[in-house]
Amino acid sequence: EAQVTQNPRYLITVTGKKLTVTCSQNMNHEYMSWYRQDPGLGLRQIYYSMNVEVTDKGDVPEGYKVSRKEKRNFPLILESPSPNQTSLYFCASLHRYDQGLAGYNEQFFGPGTRLTVL
Amino acid sequence: RKEVEQDPGPFNVPEGATVAFNCTYSNSASQSFFWYRQDCRKEPKLLMSVYSSGNEDGRFTAQLNRASQYISLLIRDSKLSDSATYLCVVPRGVWNTDKLIFGTGTRLQVFP
Repeated sequence: EAQVTQNPRYLITVTGKKLTVTCSQNMNHEYMSWYRQDPGLGLRQIYYSMNVEVTDKGDVPEGYKVSRKEKRNFPLILESPSPNQTSLYFCASLHRYDQGLAGYNEQFFGPGTRLTVL
Repeated sequence: RKEVEQDPGPFNVPEGATVAFNCTYSNSASQSFFWYRQDCRKEPKLLMSVYSSGNEDGRFTAQLNRASQYISLLIRDSKLSDSATYLCVVPRGVWNTDKLIFGTGTRLQVFP
């Protein structure tokens, strides 16, 4: 089954304790992304990766790190979590259909990780 | 103008009703647009894409108005299972479909 998996699904931690949220996809997609979702703010992109060893900042990268050592995995690292990073996090991989110049694509999202930083 | 703006709702409609949501966007160069559906605190899933004047899939119709820079989603014969939040998604660039901007969503509640 084609899917994006994330772990853990739920995490409560304390300020300053480093954590990693794993993300894995089995669709051989080149492009992967991390989002956070907060009430009233919608989904905001944290980091994205266009291929192995290629990563770039999204709109809200502060306080996060990522790596892309292999195509299927794209972990999100919080070196020193703070309460303002309490959020719902989604990993996504993107399939490009590339119909002419329209650039049609579809993002497949993981089930989400609900993070609480105390 | 915000990059992507949606009426948050909620839209409360009875089963069988027709309902329409609008989404306005600021990037006049965008070529492709998307509607995603998100059930309560679950992951978003692609509902429809639009890259010409419109697209239709069963009870769902997405239309694009480039002059006024908005896209709409029309749902006919609403079902209870249509209750969800509908997210409008617009690329930030021209052909740059990598940076996708998500609206905050419009919540739909269909009642019996």
